[in-house]
Amino acid sequence: DQQVKQNSPSLSVQEGRISILNCDYTNSMFDYFLWYKKYPAEGPTFLISISSIKDKNEDGRFTVFLNKSAKHLSLHIVPSQPGDSAVYFCAASLYSGAGSYQLTFGKGTKLSVIP
Amino acid sequence: ETGVTQTPRHLVMGMTNKKSLKCEQHLGHNAMYWYKQSAKKPLELMFVYSLEERVENNSVPSRFSPECPNSSHLFLHLHTLQPEDSALYLCASSQEGGATQYFGPGTRLTVL
Repeated sequence: DQQVKQNSPSLSVQEGRISILNCDYTNSMFDYFLWYKKYPAEGPTFLISISSIKDKNEDGRFTVFLNKSAKHLSLHIVPSQPGDSAVYFCAASLYSGAGSYQLTFGKGTKLSVIP
Repeated sequence: ETGVTQTPRHLVMGMTNKKSLKCEQHLGHNAMYWYKQSAKKPLELMFVYSLEERVENNSVPSRFSPECPNSSHLFLHLHTLQPEDSALYLCASSQEGGATQYFGPGTRLTVL
């Protein structure tokens, strides 16, 4: 059973508009949530994270919102740029011991920003 | 070299071969991870090493054997693999006590 779900496999947005990517999770023990961006033939690149004790974190054009009661988080990109076109992964972390964390990933959402 | 590097980037092997994947991190981290990404599936954690000791092993078949000789290097030894093991294998590292993991570019493995 998937603990982290990204229900939209793809999203198309016009350049300059807002992109909203959504993620749902089931395990209330997750302590951090992260978003990664992935281009073809490259590894995932860390974008932004949020602690489970916060409800919003902002970094430039990227904002992540967390709704713990709904077990839902979203990534907002404003304004969207063609270079943002990539696959975006939501991940949730659990402490796995000895200073390390285990990440559980969603399947990803492919964002296409149309010029 | 900066960040996390992985070699080789592409590997084709037969089911009877033995090969190894290598990962090196240049970030001063002390936790390292192996992930597998198969088509249409999310990234799956395989192994976790922290301070050179294995912390987590997510029920991975014994034909995959990890090795972490020091905090900068991580290997994945492969033997008698199956075609369904064809996937992208990703290595990541993190700072002790930090949830953020930094990924390498991956090794695209094809088992014939």
